Order: sequence, then C-alpha cells, then structure tokens
Amino acid sequence: DTGVSQDPRHKITKRGQNVTFRCDPISEHNRLYWYRQTLGQGPEFLTYFQNEAQLEKSRLLSDRFSAERPKGSFSTLEIQRTEQGDSAMYLCASSLAVGAQPQHFGDGTRLSIL
Amino acid sequence: DQQVKQNSPSLSVQEGRISILNCDYTNSMFDYFLWYKKYPAEGPTFLISISSIKDKNEDGRFTVFLNKSAKHLSLHIVPSQPGDSAVYFCAASVLHSGAGSYQLTFGKGTKLSVIP
Repeated sequence: DTGVSQDPRHKITKRGQNVTFRCDPISEHNRLYWYRQTLGQGPEFLTYFQNEAQLEKSRLLSDRFSAERPKGSFSTLEIQRTEQGDSAMYLCASSLAVGAQPQHFGDGTRLSIL
Repeated sequence: DQQVKQNSPSLSVQEGRISILNCDYTNSMFDYFLWYKKYPAEGPTFLISISSIKDKNEDGRFTVFLNKSAKHLSLHIVPSQPGDSAVYFCAASVLHSGAGSYQLTFGKGTKLSVIP
C-alpha cells in the first residue's frame, strides 16, 4: 500500500515567484485535502476535493492560491506571487469516501520564501 | 477562536509508565475525533479515532476516551516506549451535519518525551 506522496519535499524561492506542489493520494482514495502548517501550530485546512470536484475552500486560501485535481487522481497546489507569510509546510491528505474514515497524510512540502 | 485545544505543550514520562494526553474542544458539532503522531520532517501519522457515539476506543497500547458532556478527550498510551516520543495532535471534524467537507480542525500539539 503506497502512502500519500508529495513533491517536492523542499522548495526555496524568492518573494514574488510562483510555485507549484504536487500530491499523489493513496490510489483508491476519492477525497483529497490540502493543509498548511506553521511552526508551533497544528495543520490548518486549505481546501478539499471529492474526485475532481473542489468542494470547499478555506478563507486562508487567498486568490493567489489555486488547487486542481484534473482527473480525480493527483492534485496540484499553486501559489502565485509568493509572499514571506507563505513560508510553511504544505501537507496533503487523502481518505476514502465512505463513512468516518481517517485522513492519511504525506510528508509535506516545506516552502521557504527568501 | 481555537476550537480544539491541547493545553499542555509538552509531557515527559518514564518508559513503561502510562502517558495521558488531553484535548478539549468547543464546537459541539464535532462528531469524529482523531489522534495523530508526528515525527520531525514527516507528516502526521494516524493513530486512533473515535466517533461521538462511543466513549472509548482501544487499539493495542493506545486508548482514546471521549467525554462529550465535558467536551474532552484523552489518549492513553500504556506502556509508554521511547519510540513513542513525538508530537501528538488531536483533531476533530463534523461528519454528519450535511455540510460535507470533513475537514479536520487540529490542536497545537503536545510533545511527548518518553525517558528510558
């Protein structure tokens, strides 16, 4: 059973640049989530997909952020015109779409803005 | 407004003893609760969950207790082992309101150190 895979593991970029992260969920999981975690905090919800449909977005997800899951499999999270405050760990999780199912997390992409 | 609170940032326990990690929540709509363990440079790993229709769930050395009237849950680890040293996150979600996203709301975590 392959777990949730995220790429890249680390990304360092200059302020104002665009970045894109990829998440490959566990293969049979219909639901896919993005979270952001900063130092000393728990993960915070960003957005959620069921298959290819983006069903909910947090207020944390400003218009500089966009997420896609084009074929209901992998997902991408893009941040445009990055700012210092975007520095964080971006976590992807997936789960089955039946009843109460735990979300399983990848190891995250750590974004550092110079 | 923090809806899930873990008031102890850290906890130290001797190997072989019981570790008790606590979590309080304010949103009475929460009906599914989970505990995750996190090692440095890794994502959170699911440990155990409990639905609001139960007050206890056990899996090996891990037991979660839910007290709905007090809006409190706890994770018991018995016996504690050095490999249990990690940050533990409590999380909650609303499954059955029809709102639909199943997003998790996390506490800030408790760092557990198990001393050999």
